[in-house]
Amino acid sequence: DAKTTQPTSMDCAEGRAANLPCNHSTISGNEYVYWYRQIHSQGPQYIIHGLKNNETNEMASLIITEDRKSSTLILPHATLRDTAVYYCIVRVGLVGNRDDKIIFGKGTRLHILP
Amino acid sequence: DAGVTQSPTHLIKTRGQQVTLRCSPKSGHDTVSWYQQALGQGPQFIFQYYEEEERQRGNFPDRFSGHQFPNYSSELNVNALLLGDSALYLCASSFGEVSPLHFGNGTRLTVT
Repeated sequence: DAKTTQPTSMDCAEGRAANLPCNHSTISGNEYVYWYRQIHSQGPQYIIHGLKNNETNEMASLIITEDRKSSTLILPHATLRDTAVYYCIVRVGLVGNRDDKIIFGKGTRLHILP
Repeated sequence: DAGVTQSPTHLIKTRGQQVTLRCSPKSGHDTVSWYQQALGQGPQFIFQYYEEEERQRGNFPDRFSGHQFPNYSSELNVNALLLGDSALYLCASSFGEVSPLHFGNGTRLTVT
């Protein structure tokens, strides 16, 4: 089963910041938080990941709470092309251990409104 | 640098038939995972291959089998196809413990 819970859907106005929440209350100390998105008819696309600290890249920012039980993906200036299903996933990252499997939940369907 | 490539892009089969789907990982990646995605659902993990061995398996019957070749490419085989096997089959590759998965655009399988 997926270890994360996300809202089923969200709307955001074009040009505004989209804030997508994710709960992962049972996360372990060695589990990373990953975000992917899937645009219709394409494979999921990696966005960002983090362990404890907040992370930022050219696509988005990831804010992880201090207790690591939840996180928020921030798309700073949403465009119509950001309309997609966004998946939050936790994954173990242990050196020398490839025996992890990444489990997707149902994700959040983000609608960017013109 | 080519990303993950999957073939074919679309496939139509009849119940009871067998199908083979193929995946070439992103250059430099050595681990391949397969997912099944039904319409409106998130991807469901089938299995993962590393060093030509199945390392992890999801809740799928033995009708689903796979193989990884020395060049890291992979095949997914499904025997005795059922109507419920109709889905988008996604291949993802990665390298190392915290490498993000890189997905192909999938093979759309329709079973009639």
